[in-house]
Amino acid sequence: DTGVSQDPRHKITKRGQNVTFRCDPISEHNRLYWYRQTLGQGPEFLTYFQNEAQLEKSRLLSDRFSAERPKGSFSTLEIQRTEQGDSAMYLCASSLMGGGSPLHFGNGTRLTVT
Amino acid sequence: AQSVTQLGSHVSVSEGALVLLRCNYSSSVPPYLFWYVQYPNQGLQLLLKYTTGATLVKGINGFEAEFKKSETSFHLTKPSAHMSDAAEYFCAVTGADTGANSKLTFGKGITLSVRP
Repeated sequence: DTGVSQDPRHKITKRGQNVTFRCDPISEHNRLYWYRQTLGQGPEFLTYFQNEAQLEKSRLLSDRFSAERPKGSFSTLEIQRTEQGDSAMYLCASSLMGGGSPLHFGNGTRLTVT
Repeated sequence: AQSVTQLGSHVSVSEGALVLLRCNYSSSVPPYLFWYVQYPNQGLQLLLKYTTGATLVKGINGFEAEFKKSETSFHLTKPSAHMSDAAEYFCAVTGADTGANSKLTFGKGITLSVRP
């Protein structure tokens, strides 16, 4: 178990640019989640995959956001035309199936939009 | 739908004192409850969870929590605080009926400070 890996750890970009983040889950986990965390707040759910299928998207996930999980392995989260309000920590988590299976989180990607 | 309330954003205790972090939840179905800890610039680490069975659950680092359905609470405690416990703590809930979906709803978190 090498844990959930996220890349990059930090990203600074100018408003209007596109950014892409990558998440590598724990290998045997078939569920993968993206959360967003702003300062002083708990993580907020963005989207969720089971294998390669994206099963749920939050209303927080505007049309500028897109997530993929090709082949049910790693996942990418892309933000197009970034805005200052997108500045946050983006957390990826993975889990086994089963309603009580705990989420295992990566260390996150901190995005700063200037 | 589920929600979590963590009263107070900051708790300060002396080293060796009791730690009590409060969590109240709302859920229209039986809940699964979790506590996570987050150290600066890191992801969240699971401390403990309640799904079914014994209502007093023990976790890592000497923490435990008790599920009280009548009070809709899941407070986190530790008998004796250590300096290394200083971190942010999040309570989270999901519905037991979500089946294949383990999506968690988090509280806003409580920052624990430990005084020497």
